[in-house]
Order: sequence, then structure tokens, then C-alpha cells
Amino acid sequence: NAGVTQTPKFQVLKTGQSMTLQCAQDMNHEYMSWYRQDPGMGLRLIHYSVGAGITDQGEVPNGYNVSRSTTEDFPLRLLSAAPSQTSVYFCASSYDRQSYEQYFGPGTRLTVT
Amino acid sequence: EDKVVQSPLSLVVHEGDTVTLNCSYEVTNFRSLLWYKQEKKAPTFLFMLTSSGIEKKSGRLSSILDKKELFSILNITATQTGDSAVYLCAVEGNNFNKFYFGSGTKLNVKP
Repeated sequence: NAGVTQTPKFQVLKTGQSMTLQCAQDMNHEYMSWYRQDPGMGLRLIHYSVGAGITDQGEVPNGYNVSRSTTEDFPLRLLSAAPSQTSVYFCASSYDRQSYEQYFGPGTRLTVT
Repeated sequence: EDKVVQSPLSLVVHEGDTVTLNCSYEVTNFRSLLWYKQEKKAPTFLFMLTSSGIEKKSGRLSSILDKKELFSILNITATQTGDSAVYLCAVEGNNFNKFYFGSGTKLNVKP
């Protein structure tokens, strides 16, 4: 099992550009989430999904879109990048409601200039 | 507004010391509280707590939840330099899989 994979590891964007951060898991997990982590802060939930076809907003959803067409993939789209979106992005997955242990991907470091 | 507060923000101890990290929360319809350890990269899972008063233990680490007073503590005994990390607390509230994280406690264990 590869676990949770994220691509790219690093990305630099110019203000106004769009891009998609990829997240995939091969553990057949129902639950997937996207977080951002800024210096001195914990993780803040952007969007999450409790299964294919179902997504919901977290604490800081503005400027981001998600979709969950398959169990394995949960891409995060930045519609029009802004410097405030400079952050480290983590994707996480967990199996079901009784097993809350979340497995995190290695993260994507995004810089918006 | 749902929130999770961790204290202290940072801590410096020497090897062999015992430390207690705190996590207090205000979350609608509490479901679970999780502790993570974050070193250089992604957080790694330590404990999940759902019931008051039941201690979870793994080696030198242990944790307990008080749902009446809305807090949890993470204890690390006989600390080692490898325990140096940021420890994160996360609480699951109103919706399944919707977690609120604290800002973390940065622990530095000196030789």
C-alpha cells in the first residue's frame, strides 16, 4: 500500500493562476479531508468528504473547490490563487466512523507570489 | 464558534522529565478527541478518546479525556530527545470527519 499520496510536493504560482492539488489513497477509506497549515497554527479544515459523491465545507473553504468522483481520489482546486493561500496543504483519509485514525499525506508546500 | 485551545504553546525540558500537555475545547456535539505528533512533515496519530475517565496508554505516552470539564491531557514520562515535536489536539464536532485542530504545543527535549 502506498497510503496517502499527494502531488506535487512543491508548487509556486502567480496570483490569479489556478491549479489542482492531487490526493489519492489506496486503502479503500471512505473519509477524506483537506487541511492547510500555516506557521504557528494547527491544521485548518478546508473541505472534507464522507464518501464518493459527497463533500462538505470545513472552516476555511473560500477559494477552494473539491470533488469526489471515486473513493480513491480527492483533488483540491484553487480557482484563482492569492498570496493568502500560501501554505502547506495536507490531505488525510480514514476508514470509517468507528476508526477515526486519520492517515496524512506528506503535504504540498504552495507559494503564491 | 467551535474552538480548540492547547497549552502551553511551547515547552523545553530535559531528558527524563515528565511533561503534561493540555487541550481544552468548545465544540458542538462532541464526538471524539485525537492527539497527533508532528515532526518534520505530516502528523502521525497517537490516540483517539471518546469516553471520559478512560486512560489510553502507549509506552511512555498516555492520555485522558474529561468531557464534563471539556479538556484532555497528554502525558509523556521519561522524555527522550526523540519526543521533540509539535503535539496537536483535534476534536470532532457536529459532523463526522469534521475536525477542529488546536495550534499545537511545541515540545523540545534537550539531552
